[in-house]
Amino acid sequence: EIVLTQSPGTLSLSPGERATLSCRASQSVPSNFLAWYQQRPGQAPRLLIHGISNRATGIPDRFSGSGSGTDFTLTITRLEPEDFAVYYCQHYGSSPFTFGPGTKVAIK
Amino acid sequence: HLQESGPGLVKPSETLSLTCSVSGGSMSAYWWSWIRQPAGKGLEWIGRMYSNGKSDQNSSLKSRVAMSVDTSKSQFSLRLTSVTAADTAVYYCARGGTIFGYWGQGILVTVSS
Repeated sequence: EIVLTQSPGTLSLSPGERATLSCRASQSVPSNFLAWYQQRPGQAPRLLIHGISNRATGIPDRFSGSGSGTDFTLTITRLEPEDFAVYYCQHYGSSPFTFGPGTKVAIK
Repeated sequence: HLQESGPGLVKPSETLSLTCSVSGGSMSAYWWSWIRQPAGKGLEWIGRMYSNGKSDQNSSLKSRVAMSVDTSKSQFSLRLTSVTAADTAVYYCARGGTIFGYWGQGILVTVSS
């Protein structure tokens, strides 16, 4: 089973700032099958990125994903008020598909 | 649109049964998944089922999980046996077998006597 760790646990930033979130896998993610989700309080997660860097339908271009192998990054270039939420990475290269513990982007 | 339904309270050692109703599109040719989230914690993939009945479960839960799909009713279901307090969580149904593009709103299931 691939274990994902995310850092930092909490990121305190102001609107308009840049957010950089990290996701590290315990072993290389097969075929670069890595996704990112956003979860706002009281809501279901929303798919942001799949295949490391492909934005899902309707996701603004201020969200971007990068990385390879075991190290991945989600970047939000200019934080909007609605971006303050918890972000999860997920691998889907082999079953079981696992999620990271999440990074909370909080308002500073 | 996906909507979970079922009991919000289940006694320890009993079976948790949930249904996901799908509207606004066909269930055919898609994978459908169950994912859960304990309060204040992260996400755990439970398992997935294809519209033809083929399924795959998380090995950590495999012996306790059963899923079914009824495309004529646009529903798919989850059964989790021998539940304990550790199974208390919000349970989500989602469309997709690897990445999850559409989610239900989730249903809180509490395991308690």
